[in-house]
Amino acid sequence: QKEVEQDPGPLSVPEGAIVSLNCTYSNSAFQYFMWYRQYSRKGPELLMYTYSSGNKEDGRFTAQVDKSSKYISLFIRDSQPSDSATYLCAMNSGGYQKVTFGTGTKLQVIP
Amino acid sequence: NAGVTQTPKFQVLKTGQSMTLQCAQDMNHNSMYWYRQDPGMGLRLIYYSASEGTTDKGEVPNGYNVSRLNKREFSLRLESAAPSQTSVYFCASIWTSGGVGELFFGEGSRLTVL
Repeated sequence: QKEVEQDPGPLSVPEGAIVSLNCTYSNSAFQYFMWYRQYSRKGPELLMYTYSSGNKEDGRFTAQVDKSSKYISLFIRDSQPSDSATYLCAMNSGGYQKVTFGTGTKLQVIP
Repeated sequence: NAGVTQTPKFQVLKTGQSMTLQCAQDMNHNSMYWYRQDPGMGLRLIYYSASEGTTDKGEVPNGYNVSRLNKREFSLRLESAAPSQTSVYFCASIWTSGGVGELFFGEGSRLTVL
């Protein structure tokens, strides 16, 4: 069993839709939870991070962590074609510790 | 501000050939990483270097060697390439603050082994 599980999609939604992306994990030591966005033929870029359980909002993006269920989510409101990318969840126990990635979910927002 | 620079961007090798992927960062980060990305497998850590002069194995180190040449540069060598090493390789460096580590990635090196 993988430490981090993520539905690979692809996920196709119309412009303006609310998108929900999710990951589950098995390692209780994980404390920092991140979402990376990767455009085609580019390297991943950090989109958001959260520490421990709770919600964090940044513009149209909201990250949620439920440590009791070992479940994290990324919500995108008012999705735009420019949001079309692969979204990777990532997590670690902090600092320089090894970052473990999900397989990524490919999102397409159709105009 | 270049960030993380990888060379080459594309390479085709024959089975058994050797090559080195080069990576350099200009952000004064201490730690650097090499990942490979394959369909359905996500990003898997090959090797990392926590600081200049140190290297450690990651999840999938077999068939690879690394050198941390100085603080800026971290190279990945394939001594005898195999088709299973066909992949996209990403170099990254990490910035940490308050416990959170942000990985900065290069644009990737696409390697095909025939």
